[in-house]
Amino acid sequence: NAGVTQTPKFRVLKTGQSMTLLCAQDMNHEYMYWYRQDPGMGLRLIHYSVGEGTTAKGEVPDGYNVSRLKKQNFLLGLESAAPSQTSVYFCASSYGGGGQEETQYFGPGTRLLVL
Amino acid sequence: DQQVKQNSPSLSVQEGRISILNCDYTNSMFDYFLWYKKYPAEGPTFLISISSIKDKNEDGRFTVFLNKSAKHLSLHIVPSQPGDSAVYFCAANTGGFKTIFGAGTRLFVKA
Repeated sequence: NAGVTQTPKFRVLKTGQSMTLLCAQDMNHEYMYWYRQDPGMGLRLIHYSVGEGTTAKGEVPDGYNVSRLKKQNFLLGLESAAPSQTSVYFCASSYGGGGQEETQYFGPGTRLLVL
Repeated sequence: DQQVKQNSPSLSVQEGRISILNCDYTNSMFDYFLWYKKYPAEGPTFLISISSIKDKNEDGRFTVFLNKSAKHLSLHIVPSQPGDSAVYFCAANTGGFKTIFGAGTRLFVKA
């Protein structure tokens, strides 16, 4: 049982390049999330999904797109990377339903540097 | 507008003593509060939670206190151990799936 995994672990991009971050979970969770963590800002929600085939915007969605074609996978795309997107990206998943069930399980993170 | 605030970026405590991490929130609709712990190069992991209908929840060395009138919660770690050195995130939600995280407090436990 691997939990939540993220690939890649680290990436350097040039401004304007594109890339996709992959998140996979093997806990059969309905809900999945993408966060970014910046110094002094905590974790901010980028996009989330409440089920296969559904996605929605979070707090800071601009410059990102997501897809949830399979229940276990949640992809985060950067179409044209900008230096402001330099951050650590965390994927998380949860059962959903409220209360204790809303405990989120996080992946190890992807460190992205945009030059 | 930060709805969940952790005003202390860092805290240093001697091993064996009590660590108290504080968190304030502004949204009175929050009804579930959580603490996550994060080690370097790892993702956050769930530590302890409390529902708004309670004022205390205890799990081993970890106790969370909730003061709804003051919109304040705190995490107590007794006794503190060097392995507790990590970043602690306070988080809150309204029972749905959108959780708001604070900026985190880095705890150093000195041996």
